[in-house]
Amino acid sequence: DMKVTQMPRYLIKRMGENVLLECGQDMSHETMYWYRQDPGLGLQLIYISYDVDSNSEGDIPKGYRVSRKKREHFSLILDSAKTNQTSVYFCASSSPLGPQDTQYFGPGTRLLVL
Amino acid sequence: TQTVSQSDAHVTVFEGDSVELRCNYSYGGSIYLSWYIQHHGRGLQFLLKYYSGNPVVQGVNGFEAEFSKSDSSFHLRKASVHWSDSAVYFCAVTSNYGGSGNKLIFGTGTLLSVKP
Repeated sequence: DMKVTQMPRYLIKRMGENVLLECGQDMSHETMYWYRQDPGLGLQLIYISYDVDSNSEGDIPKGYRVSRKKREHFSLILDSAKTNQTSVYFCASSSPLGPQDTQYFGPGTRLLVL
Repeated sequence: TQTVSQSDAHVTVFEGDSVELRCNYSYGGSIYLSWYIQHHGRGLQFLLKYYSGNPVVQGVNGFEAEFSKSDSSFHLRKASVHWSDSAVYFCAVTSNYGGSGNKLIFGTGTLLSVKP
């Protein structure tokens, strides 16, 4: 069964603390994504990864970095979290069939930065 | 600039009713469109997509969508809704992001509420 997992599902941090969000997929997909979802804004792309150690900034990369050391695993790191990074974060993966490929999403991580 | 517009923030219908959720896009290149569903507290799930051929595409659970180039639209329809269809529906256009990655540009979503 095709699956994208995210850990943790819920997280509360204080401003200035470091945050690590983890994502895994069991489909051997080359491409993985991190999005954030905020009310009224839909989903916005933070980073995209084409494969191991091949990452590219999305539309809103400021304040975030990523790590992909294995194809099935993609991490989002917030160094010194800020209150405006409170959001729901979604990871997704896809296989590069071109523009018609389908993205598969994880269940999301709700992050609250106090 | 690619944009996706979902004009209805909230649609309420009764179980058994038909429903149409509207999506309009603005994009200058080849069009690849999709719909995703998000149940409360869950991730997005793929419903259906259009990239060529028959403008009416069938998806899961009785959903279908029709692509119209003249209207720049990709409306989602279902003939008879069930209470479990209550969710937020997102329309998205695919934009190539270079390399092997494609970016989904999402609309702001339409909340569908199905009353018993």
